[in-house]
Amino acid sequence: RKEVEQDPGPFNVPEGATVAFNCTYSNSASQSFFWYRQDCRKEPKLLMSVYSSGNEDGRFTAQLNRASQYISLLIRDSKLSDSATYLCAVDLGGATNKLIFGTGTLLAVQP
Amino acid sequence: DTAVSQTPKYLVTQMGNDKSIKCEQNLGHDTMYWYKQDSKKFLKIMFSYNNKELIINETVPNRFSPKSPDKAHLNLHINSLELGDSAVYFCASRGLGETQYFGPGTRLLVL
Repeated sequence: RKEVEQDPGPFNVPEGATVAFNCTYSNSASQSFFWYRQDCRKEPKLLMSVYSSGNEDGRFTAQLNRASQYISLLIRDSKLSDSATYLCAVDLGGATNKLIFGTGTLLAVQP
Repeated sequence: DTAVSQTPKYLVTQMGNDKSIKCEQNLGHDTMYWYKQDSKKFLKIMFSYNNKELIINETVPNRFSPKSPDKAHLNLHINSLELGDSAVYFCASRGLGETQYFGPGTRLLVL
């Protein structure tokens, strides 16, 4: 089993739709969680951290479910500019300061 | 101001050659990384250095040799390049407990 797993998609949604991505992780000792966004031929950039209580940033909401070991990202009112690959990342903590990335979920927002 | 920079941006070379990729960060972070992103877009960690010391080596072939002259720089030297080395190589840096920042990537094509 991969350490961090995501549905690769693609998710094809119309503008204005709400779309949700899930990401599961295998190590229950994982400490921190993040969503990154990667545009075509660009580097991954942090979209948001994921906190235990859930957190929101505009149209984006991130949730963490430690019991079931998954994180989610909800995008409301999708825009064309949201089209990208969304990568979840999990930090095991400790001395290595290492992030494990999922394979990414491709989102294509259609006009 | 560029936080994490890499050179070159593109690298096209013949099988069997030796090449280097350079990375610099001006964020004052202690930890730097090299990732490889293959054609399937999976972002896989290769190496991590903390304050010039190697802390992660993810069973990468020993043709790959990272070098950190100081904590702001982490270079990657690749000997005897093979076709399968073609990928995008991302450098990244991270402060303890902070967000990880990626460089713009180096697109390596081995012919």
